[in-house]
Amino acid sequence: AQSVAQPEDQVNVAEGNPLTVKCTYSVSGNPYLFWYVQYPNRGLQFLLKYITGDNLVKGSYGFEAEFNKSQTSFHLKKPSALVSDSALYFCAVRDCCMNYGGSQGNLIFGKGTKLSVKP
Amino acid sequence: GAGVSQTPSNKVTEKGKYVELRCDPISGHTALYWYRQSLGQGPEFLIYFQGTGAADDSGLPNDRFFAVRPEGSVSTLKIQRTERGDSAVYLCASSDRGAEQFFGPGTRLTVL
Repeated sequence: AQSVAQPEDQVNVAEGNPLTVKCTYSVSGNPYLFWYVQYPNRGLQFLLKYITGDNLVKGSYGFEAEFNKSQTSFHLKKPSALVSDSALYFCAVRDCCMNYGGSQGNLIFGKGTKLSVKP
Repeated sequence: GAGVSQTPSNKVTEKGKYVELRCDPISGHTALYWYRQSLGQGPEFLIYFQGTGAADDSGLPNDRFFAVRPEGSVSTLKIQRTERGDSAVYLCASSDRGAEQFFGPGTRLTVL
C-alpha cells in the first residue's frame, strides 16, 4: 500500500535560516512525489514535483526538494526562510504504475507539517 | 486564468439531510478529483473522473456518497442522509496532462 509520513508536526525556524521539512514515502513501484502548501482558509497550492530525472527539483517561492530513492525520502528545503513561508506543508505521493498508470491519478497525502518562521 | 472554484464555501446542514457540493475545474482540464480533509489531517482521496466517467471511486466511504460529472466539466458531490462524521472540508482538484493537481478553496461542511 502507498503511504506518506511527515514525522514532524511542527518545524520552527528563524527568518533567514535554512529550513527543512521532512517526508518519507512507501510505494511498490516508482513514485511521483509532490509538495503542496496550505495557507489558513485557503486551498492547497502546488509547490513542486518529482517525476523523473534530476533528484534535486526546484519549485515556487525558492523551495526545492531532493528525491532520495535509497532512503525513500523527499525532503523540502529552502536556503533562507521568510516569515511569509509560515504555513502548513503537505507531501504527497502517487505510484506511477498502479491501476491505470499514466501521469494522472489520486494522491496520497501526509498529515502535514506546520512551518513557523519567526522574525 | 481562472482557477478551480467550489460552491458553496460553507454549508451547514442537519443530520439526515441531503447536500450537494459543486466544483468548477480549470477550463480544459480532463481530470477532476474530490478529496476530504478533516481537521489536522491531510486530504483523503474520494473519487477521480477522467472526462465524464469515474475512473476510480475507491475512496468513497459508503453508498451515501455519490458524484457526477455529466458533461466532463462541472462536477457535483452528493451526500445523502448526512452524519456528523461527514463534517470536513471537501476539496476539488483538476489536472490536465501534467501530474500536478490544482486545488480549489474547498467547501466546509458542518453537520449538526
